[in-house]
Amino acid sequence: KAGVTQTPRYLIKTRGQQVTLSCSPISGHRSVSWYQQTPGQGLQFLFEYFSETQRNKGNFPGRFSGRQFSNSRSEMNVSTLELGDSALYLCASFPGTGDTGELFFGEGSRLTVL
Amino acid sequence: AQSVTQLGSHVSVSEGALVLLRCNYSSSVPPYLFWYVQYPNQGLQLLLKYTSAATLVKGINGFEAEFKKSETSFHLTKPSAHMSDAAEYFCAVRTAGNKLTFGGGTRVLVKP
Repeated sequence: KAGVTQTPRYLIKTRGQQVTLSCSPISGHRSVSWYQQTPGQGLQFLFEYFSETQRNKGNFPGRFSGRQFSNSRSEMNVSTLELGDSALYLCASFPGTGDTGELFFGEGSRLTVL
Repeated sequence: AQSVTQLGSHVSVSEGALVLLRCNYSSSVPPYLFWYVQYPNQGLQLLLKYTSAATLVKGINGFEAEFKKSETSFHLTKPSAHMSDAAEYFCAVRTAGNKLTFGGGTRVLVKP
């Protein structure tokens, strides 16, 4: 079974631009979550989608948004990029049902904002 | 609110020595607790999880963790460190829905 796939793995943007990151969950998983990882703030929850609906949201500004498609693939978008948005963005998938709470993570998209 | 604290941002151990990584949690309800490992330039890989079935949980790569409710702890151990254990380790608690709240991480250095 293929794991969680994130694209692109690395990207460089400049301040003010926007970026879209993609995540394909494990086949059959209906929940996708996004996390931001930075040296200063650690791992922080951005949002979770389940069956195309945002189910949970972290404490990030409105510049951070996401969506999920009917095939469970998800995208997150960051508009008006700031230097502080440089981070590793991790996507995690979950079956969506059951109670084990285990999330499966992709390898991440490393964003550098110049 | 549920939270996780990892004591020590860096740990250095000799190859063959005991690895002990400390994690304390705060939770008003029986928690689901996890340990993840992150190797350089990679995502997070699950080492083990506690879901109230047993207090001593065995994971992959020889790691295990013991849930102690009285101490609100979920420390991770491995009897004998290997060079391949050099990585960053994260303790996490599942909170609302499927959200994970992570500790700050502990970077493990293994000395030959």
